[in-house]
Amino acid sequence: KQEVTQIPAALSVPEGENLVLNCSFTDSAIYNLQWFRQDPGKGLTSLLLIQSSQREQTSGRLNASLDKSSGRSTLYIAASQPGDSATYLCAVYSNYQLIWGAGTKLIIKP
Amino acid sequence: DAGVTQSPTHLIKTRGQQVTLRCSPKSGHDTVSWYQQALGQGPQFIFQYYEEEERQRGNFPDRFSGHQFPNYSSELNVNALLLGDSALYLCASSPYEVVTNEKLFFGSGTQLSVL
Repeated sequence: KQEVTQIPAALSVPEGENLVLNCSFTDSAIYNLQWFRQDPGKGLTSLLLIQSSQREQTSGRLNASLDKSSGRSTLYIAASQPGDSATYLCAVYSNYQLIWGAGTKLIIKP
Repeated sequence: DAGVTQSPTHLIKTRGQQVTLRCSPKSGHDTVSWYQQALGQGPQFIFQYYEEEERQRGNFPDRFSGHQFPNYSSELNVNALLLGDSALYLCASSPYEVVTNEKLFFGSGTQLSVL
C-alpha cells in the first residue's frame, strides 16, 4: 500500500531564506509526483508535476526533484517571501489515484 | 472561465442527517473526482465520475454516494452522518482523455461540520 510522508509538518523561517520541503513514498511504482499549495479557503493549486522518468522540474523560484529509487522528492523554494506562506502537499499518482502526504505548513516571517 | 465551483462553502449538520454537496467542473472538463480532507491531513480519494457513472472508488463506505448530470456537474451525498465525516470536501475536474492527474483542477471545497 502506497504511503506518502512529509517532513517537517511545520516550518517557520525568516523572509529571504532558501528552504527545502521533503516528501517520501513507500512504493516506487508511481506514474508521477505532484506538489500542491493549499491556502485557507482557496483549495489546491498545482505547483509542479514530475513524471516518473524525470529528475526535476522548475518554475520560477521553485524546483522539485524526484528520486524514484529511494522514494524521495524535495521542493526547493529560493528567496522565500511572506506570500509563500501556505501548506505544501505532495501527492503521487499510482493505481489511478492521487495518494497524498499530510502537508508541510510553511510560515515565512517578514 | 470560472474554474471548478463548489457549493455550499460551509455547512453544519447533526449526526444522522444526510448532506448533498455540489460541484460544477471547469469548462471543457467531463470528469469529476471527489476528495475528503480531514483537518491536518492530506486529501483522500472518494470516487470519480465520468459519463454519469462511477468509474473509480476509494476506500469509503456506501454511505458516500454520488451522481453526475448530463452537463457534467456532480453531487456528493453522504447519509447517516458521523462526527468523523467532518472535513473539507474537495471536487476536482479533468478531461477524461487525460487519464492521469496532469490536467486536474480543484475547487475551493465545502467545509462540512457534523455536530
